[in-house]
Amino acid sequence: KQEVTQIPAALSVPEGENLVLNCSFTDSAIYNLQWFRQDPGKGLTSLLLIQSSQREQTSGRLNASLDKSSGRSTLYIAASQPGDSATYLCAVKEGNLIFGKGTKLSVKP
Amino acid sequence: GAVVSQHPSRVICKSGTSVKIECRSLDFQATTMFWYRQFPKKSLMLMATSNEGSKATYEQGVEKDKFLINHASLTLSTLTVTSAHPEDSSFYICSAESTSGGSSYEQYFGPGTRLTVT
Repeated sequence: KQEVTQIPAALSVPEGENLVLNCSFTDSAIYNLQWFRQDPGKGLTSLLLIQSSQREQTSGRLNASLDKSSGRSTLYIAASQPGDSATYLCAVKEGNLIFGKGTKLSVKP
Repeated sequence: GAVVSQHPSRVICKSGTSVKIECRSLDFQATTMFWYRQFPKKSLMLMATSNEGSKATYEQGVEKDKFLINHASLTLSTLTVTSAHPEDSSFYICSAESTSGGSSYEQYFGPGTRLTVT
C-alpha cells in the first residue's frame, strides 16, 4: 500500500531564506507526482506536476525534483516571502492520488 | 489554468437533513471527478471516484447510501450527504481530471465546502 510522508510537518523561516520541503513515497510505480499549496480553509492549488519520466519541474521561484527509484521528491522555494505561508501537500498518482499530510510553512517578515 | 468551482462554499444544516454539494469544471470537460474529505492535520481522504454516466466507485469504509454521488454531465458532479449527523461535519473537496496534453492526467481541485452539522 502506497504511503506518502512529508517532512517536516511544520517549518518557520525568516523572509528571504531558501528552503526545501521533502516528500517520500514507498512504491515507485507512480504515474506522476504533484505539489499543491493549500491556504487555511481553502482548496488546493496545483504548483507543479512531474511526470514519472521527468526529473524536475520549475515554475518561478519553485523547483520540484523527483527521484522515482529512491521514492523521493523535494520542493525548493527560493527567496521565500510571507505570501508563501501555507500548507504544502505532496501527492503521488497511482490509480488515484495519494496525499501526504503536508508541511505547514510560515515565512516571517 | 483549468478552473473547478464548488457550491456552496459553506453550509450549516441541522442533524437529519440532507445537503447537496456541486462541483463544476468551468473550462474543460472532465470524464472523471473525485470527492475528498479533509480532517484536521490528516491527509486528504479519497471518498469516491465519479465517472460521467456511470455509478461512482467508493473507497473502502465510505457509505454509499449516505454519500450519494451523481455525475450527470462532463462538467458537473454532485455529492449529497443524506441524513447528516455532526460527525459528518468536515471540509469536502472535489477535483476534476484533465487529460489535455496527452497523458498528464492532472487533477484540478475546487475551493472546498465546509459542512457543519448542528
